[in-house]
Amino acid sequence: NAGVMQNPRHLVRRRGQEARLRCSPMKGHSHVYWYRQLPEEGLKFMVYLQKENIIDESGMPKERFSAEFPKEGPSILRIQQVVRGDSAAYFCASSPPEEPSTFGSGTRLTVV
Amino acid sequence: RKEVEQDPGPFNVPEGATVAFNCTYSNSASQSFFWYRQDCRKEPKLLMSVYSSGNEDGRFTAQLNRASQYISLLIRDSKLSDSATYLCVVNGGSYIPTFGRGTSLIVHP
Repeated sequence: NAGVMQNPRHLVRRRGQEARLRCSPMKGHSHVYWYRQLPEEGLKFMVYLQKENIIDESGMPKERFSAEFPKEGPSILRIQQVVRGDSAAYFCASSPPEEPSTFGSGTRLTVV
Repeated sequence: RKEVEQDPGPFNVPEGATVAFNCTYSNSASQSFFWYRQDCRKEPKLLMSVYSSGNEDGRFTAQLNRASQYISLLIRDSKLSDSATYLCVVNGGSYIPTFGRGTSLIVHP
């Protein structure tokens, strides 16, 4: 079992570009979560998804951010028209229902 | 009141010391509790689950107090390698784990 796979590990984007972050959950895990962590800050919940469904997106900014978890393929966190304040580590985690989450290694987004 | 609160520290202790962290949560309906460890610029990793009866794993002991709505983590005989940030995690039953901001531990020689 390869664990939760996130890519890319590091992503540099210029202001105004789009960032796409990918997450493949562990085999058998139906729940996917995305978190954002700013330097020296805690983990902030963004969105919770199951296959083809967004269950809770209460932590997602209202604009420019979207997430999906299609029937086939990885979960995608998409940030349109990135700004400097989007620079952060984005972690994906997956779990079976009611079990603790396993995290991926994260994607470190830098907006220049 | 924040959903999950932790003293950010840092806790600066010598090797061999015993150190305890507390974490309070606001949702009385919370059903599952965990401690994670996060090293600098790495992903959080599950340290241990916290059960109502308390549980121990080597030098680590976790306890839950539902009446007062807090969980604790005790580390005995601290090692240099225990230096990290310890995250309290509470699941309120909505399948969304809520993370505390973390408590920083620095173990020095």
